[in-house]
Amino acid sequence: GQNIDQPTEMTATEGAIVQINCTYQTSGFNGLFWYQQHAGEAPTFLSYNVLDGLEEKGRFSSFLSRSKGYSYLLLKELQMKDSASYLCAVLSQAGTALIFGKGTTLSVSS
Amino acid sequence: DTAVSQTPKYLVTQMGNDKSIKCEQNLGHDTMYWYKQDSKKFLKIMFSYNNKELIINETVPNRFSPKSPDKAHLNLHINSLELGDSAVYFCASSQNGKLGPSYGYTFGSGTRLTVV
Repeated sequence: GQNIDQPTEMTATEGAIVQINCTYQTSGFNGLFWYQQHAGEAPTFLSYNVLDGLEEKGRFSSFLSRSKGYSYLLLKELQMKDSASYLCAVLSQAGTALIFGKGTTLSVSS
Repeated sequence: DTAVSQTPKYLVTQMGNDKSIKCEQNLGHDTMYWYKQDSKKFLKIMFSYNNKELIINETVPNRFSPKSPDKAHLNLHINSLELGDSAVYFCASSQNGKLGPSYGYTFGSGTRLTVV
């Protein structure tokens, strides 16, 4: 089975950098996703990592270490609109569905 | 053009009732999913269909019955609703059951079910 851990809540200020960590245990690894979910809305895709290393996409970057079962999402130049839940997810062993962690609620203040 | 559309967006009903939630996708994806998101925001998979065939059926009470008349539609029928069924239900779709780079899921906007 899969187990995914991420912090429940984080706070930060506008303009700062925040790193949201995710650790996972899975019997077979097929890729790791990060999603953003604003209150009352659907999750939206942020990033996908299947190989070790850093993937950068604008203000957001995602890192993966398969040997450590570890990923992080890095958000730079934080804006108020970045206040949301950030969901870490791994593909199921059969690659047929996403298994989500419980999400990290990020609050950005001015 | 809405890619994954769910109806209704809100549903308030009494315990013991039977209700259905509908989902349609116009992306040409082969696989569709139902997820339940509880009050603590935990998103948990319930069912998955690939080309109308059930491929994932998690530990869900058999009061929940999915139906996929074609690969563009996946409906969820719930019998004898209970208070604990109150949650947001998300439909999602993906191509060929492969959640490869850059794509992942496309989610519907969710159905907020409140059982009173």
